[in-house]
Amino acid sequence: NAGVTQTPKFQVLKTGQSMTLQCAQDMNHEYMSWYRQDPGMGLRLIHYSVGAGITDQGEVPNGYNVSRSTTEDFPLRLLSAAPSQTSVYFCASSRTGEAYGYTFGSGTRLTVV
Amino acid sequence: EDQVTQSPEALRLQEGESSSLNCSYTVSGLRGLFWYRQDPGKGPEFLFTLYSAGEEKEKERLKATLTKKESFLHITAPKPEDSATYLCAVQARGSRLTFGEGTQLTVNP
Repeated sequence: NAGVTQTPKFQVLKTGQSMTLQCAQDMNHEYMSWYRQDPGMGLRLIHYSVGAGITDQGEVPNGYNVSRSTTEDFPLRLLSAAPSQTSVYFCASSRTGEAYGYTFGSGTRLTVV
Repeated sequence: EDQVTQSPEALRLQEGESSSLNCSYTVSGLRGLFWYRQDPGKGPEFLFTLYSAGEEKEKERLKATLTKKESFLHITAPKPEDSATYLCAVQARGSRLTFGEGTQLTVNP
């Protein structure tokens, strides 16, 4: 059972470039989300999805897009990378309907130069 | 707006020296409070969910408790392998979690 798989693990981008961070889960979880983690700021929610075809914004959505065409996959797109998007990105999934704990991926460390 | 504050930011203990981490929260309609452990370079790992005031959960040397305003993570006779960052999060609506900034625990041998 792979859980939540994130790729790539590391990425360096130049300012203005675009890229997609991949996230896949094999637990048939309805809920998926993207967080960024920065020193002194904790985990902040970027976007989330409660099921295929449904997405919504979190607290820091600007500069990011998401889509959810299948239950398993929830990619995060950076449209035009900026140095302020340098961070560690985590994808997480859970069942819905009750207060279930999230399962997190191992993260993507992104540096924008 | 849901808020979670963890203290202290960092804690150094000697092996065997018991202590507690604090998580204070402000939320409208708590559905669940979560504790996670995060090791360097890894994603958070789920530890506990607490649902109502007075509830307690235990796992090895860790014990989590919950009141109406805060949660404590008690660490009894810690070992160096307990060194990690411990994160607290609350869930009020839907499945969204609001996280605190974490407490970085170091246990020296």
